Amino acid sequence: EPEVTQTPSHQVTQMGQEVILRCVPISNHLYFYWYRQILGQKVEFLVSFYNNEISEKSEIFDDQFSVERPDGSNFTLKIRSTKLEDSAMYFCASTGGGSSYNEQFFGPGTRLTVL
Amino acid sequence: SQQGEEDPQALSIQEGENATMNCSYKTSINNLQWYRQNSGRGLVHLILIRSNEREKHSGRLRVTLDTSKKSSSLLITASRAADTASYFCATAGNTGGFKTIFGAGTRLFVKA
Repeated sequence: EPEVTQTPSHQVTQMGQEVILRCVPISNHLYFYWYRQILGQKVEFLVSFYNNEISEKSEIFDDQFSVERPDGSNFTLKIRSTKLEDSAMYFCASTGGGSSYNEQFFGPGTRLTVL
Repeated sequence: SQQGEEDPQALSIQEGENATMNCSYKTSINNLQWYRQNSGRGLVHLILIRSNEREKHSGRLRVTLDTSKKSSSLLITASRAADTASYFCATAGNTGGFKTIFGAGTRLFVKA
C-alpha cells in the first residue's frame, strides 16, 4: 500500500540553526501539506502546496518557513532560523486531485527538538 | 474558521463498553475524518465521511454526520485496552487547498 514517508524521524538542532524536513508524498498525488503538533496540543495546519506553488498558508507559516518540491518526489519544509517554540512533531500529508472528498494520507512525522 | 472540537476532552471506560466521542465544527465542509493517535506517535486514519453521507461503519467503528447541526460522532463498540489513544476529528473545507482542520481531540482510556 502506498504511503507517505518522512525523514528524519527525529531531528535535534540548536536555536538559530536552519533545518530541512523531508517528505516523499504518494507518487500520483497532487496536493501536499505540512502540519505541526506541539506536544500535548492539536494538529495545526501550516501550508498546502499545489502545482508548484503555495495554495494556502496559516498565520503560523511566517517568513521563517518555506516549502519546496525540488524534484518529482520530494517535498520539503525549511525553517530558516529555528526558535525554541518550533519544537513540535511535523507531519507531511498528501492527497490525490480531482475530488475534494479524497482522504489525506499522513506521514509518520518528524519530531523536531530545538535546544 | 472551520474547526472541529471534540467532547468529551477525556473519557475513561471499562473494556467491553462502548465509547462515544462527539465533534462539532463551524463552517460547511466537504468531508469529515476521524484519526487516532497513540501518545507521541503518528496519525492513523480511521474513517472518512462525506458531507452527503449520514452514517458510515468500519469494523467496530460507527461514524455519524449531521450537517444541519454541524456535528459528528464516533462510536467504538466493545472497546479494548488497545483502543486507548487520542481521537481527533478533522474537517476538510471548500478551498482549493483542501486543508484539514483538526480538533483538540478526545483522550480515551480503556481499562482492562
